[in-house]
Amino acid sequence: DGGITQSPKYLFRKEGQNVTLSCEQNLNHDAMYWYRQDPGQGLRLIYYSQIVNDFQKGDIAEGYSVSREKKESFPLTVTSAQKNPTAFYLCASTFRSMNTEAFFGQGTRLTVV
Amino acid sequence: AQSVSQHNHHVILSEAASLELGCNYSYGGTVNLFWYVQYPGQHLQLLLKYFSGDPLVKGIKGFEAEFIKSKFSFNLRKPSVQWSDTAEYFCAVALRGTDSWGKLQFGAGTQVVVTP
Repeated sequence: DGGITQSPKYLFRKEGQNVTLSCEQNLNHDAMYWYRQDPGQGLRLIYYSQIVNDFQKGDIAEGYSVSREKKESFPLTVTSAQKNPTAFYLCASTFRSMNTEAFFGQGTRLTVV
Repeated sequence: AQSVSQHNHHVILSEAASLELGCNYSYGGTVNLFWYVQYPGQHLQLLLKYFSGDPLVKGIKGFEAEFIKSKFSFNLRKPSVQWSDTAEYFCAVALRGTDSWGKLQFGAGTQVVVTP
């Protein structure tokens, strides 16, 4: 089945550690996105990528990094510079050249302990 | 900077009441517009979308939305809600300008609670 897979579903990390969240899609989508969802703040865009080897900062990119070495993969690293990393992280993807909606993964809940 | 504003953060209404959720965006170029819903414990689902053509679009579960270009608005409506419509609703805008193609931004969401 086609879709977006985020792993792991739950992640715990200690303060000061970097952690990488995985996002893989087999929908042949061009564009991929990372969002952070916090209560009352909706989905805030962290980074997005329209094509391989290119990505743009979203509205809250500080303390995060991404790479897009393959079309189907868009991992997000939450660095120790992110002051408040505990959140629910959502990955999405869509076609670039067609008018279609974005499809979402199931999310990763990151907790800093 | 581009932004998406949803007028209400929380809405409480009774079954059979009508629902209207407001959404405005600030971007002067071409946009695609969406409403997503997140039921308790579930992932985001698409309710409806607008790309072009008839500004009144119909979605799943009896929802509809109207795009008013002059007001930069895309309000969601349902004539008669059910208890199962309790969820959080998100408006989203995808930019189609050359500088920001593909940037997909969401509003803060509206939590809707339908009481029996």
